[in-house]
This record gives sequence, C-alpha cells and structure tokens, in this order.
Amino acid sequence: QVTLKESGPGMLQPSQTLSLTCTFSGTSLSTSNMGLSWLRQPSGKGLEWLASIWNNDNYYNPSLRSRLTISKETSKNQVLLKFTSMEPADTATYYCAWGYGGPFDYWGQGVMVTVSS
Amino acid sequence: DIQMTQSPASLSASLGETVTIECRASEDIYSNLAWYQQKPGNSPQLLIYDANSLADGVPSRFSGSGSGTQYSLKINSLQSEDVASYFCQQYNNYPDTFGAGTKLELK
Repeated sequence: QVTLKESGPGMLQPSQTLSLTCTFSGTSLSTSNMGLSWLRQPSGKGLEWLASIWNNDNYYNPSLRSRLTISKETSKNQVLLKFTSMEPADTATYYCAWGYGGPFDYWGQGVMVTVSS
Repeated sequence: DIQMTQSPASLSASLGETVTIECRASEDIYSNLAWYQQKPGNSPQLLIYDANSLADGVPSRFSGSGSGTQYSLKINSLQSEDVASYFCQQYNNYPDTFGAGTKLELK
C-alpha cells in the first residue's frame, strides 16, 4: 500500500519561496522505473503537472522550469519541491503523486498554499 | 504542449442513467490517456489508464474507450457515489497535460 503525504506552509507572501515535502511509504525511489511527481490545482480548476523525479533524473514543466527545483532524500523517503518567486496566481492545492510518464497511481491528500500579502 | 479539450464542462444525470464524458487531444496520443475521479475535498483517484484499462478496485460500471485524438469515459448505471469531477490526462508527450474537468451532478 503506497501512501503519500504533503507538508508545507499554508500561507506565504508574494516573492517568497515555497518549500514542500512529500513523505511516502510502501515503495521506494531506489527501484528502477519508479517516479514521484508534483502537481497543483487552483480551487475549482484543473490540474497542472509541475515536476518529477524518475530514475535519478529530474523533469520540469517547461513553463515553470526556471522557478522549480525537485530533489529527494532517499533515506527519509522524501521528495522536496522548491518554488521560487511565488505570486497570488500560484495559490493552489499542491499534490504529490506516484508516477511519471504514465498515469499517477497514488496521490497524497494535498496541501493548500495561499500566496497573499 | 498537447491541449486536452474535455466536454461537457458540467453534466446533470439521474441515478441509473448512463453518462459519457469526452476528451479530445490536439494531436494523436496513441491511447496514452488516463481518467481520474475527484470527489469534493479529496485528491484525484485513478480510474482508467491506457485509455481502456480499469485501475485496481474501480467498479466495472466505469469504462474507457477511444483512440487517436478522441477518447471517452462511460459510467453505466450512475450511482450517488459517482458525483464528482472527472479529468483526463495525456502522458504521450512531455509535458503531461490535463483536461479542464467535467463536474457530474445528480439530477
């Protein structure tokens, strides 16, 4: 049973950097062809893929690449996401999900992030 | 990026009815398509992958079909627990992209 849980600040001010952590269990990023992704969803809107770690490589949405950094702490079963220069338009629920390059099999519960002064 | 056009944006149906949700890709995605269900306040859950394969634990009243650029999700015999939003996702081309969603309500 794969479980994922996101954690991070609920609110931050414009221009600040968002740091999110996804802690997972029931699987391992050490296994080949395993990946973990970050996505987001503004309230009442659709989903947007942000970034993924897969087979020790990092992948980013080209439209946001300059602002995103994804990394992993294998020993802690965690994947981190840093998102710089946050704006009110980045207000959304941020999800981590298991998978890359295919369907997302498992999702965390999501963490709501509000960007406001 | 591949654009995913999902229709309708909202849908009202009666219990026991059959409903169909469509997703059109801006180019051929070779059946690399998934469908998700998202109930209010919850995270998305995988229903269908590879256009027509049912994910583990998903009731058989859900089915997916299509090829090329045109895909559909069908729900037979609508149940009250099917009230949710539904999203399609293409994973044929980088970056993955999603449809805007269909909100399904009971009539």
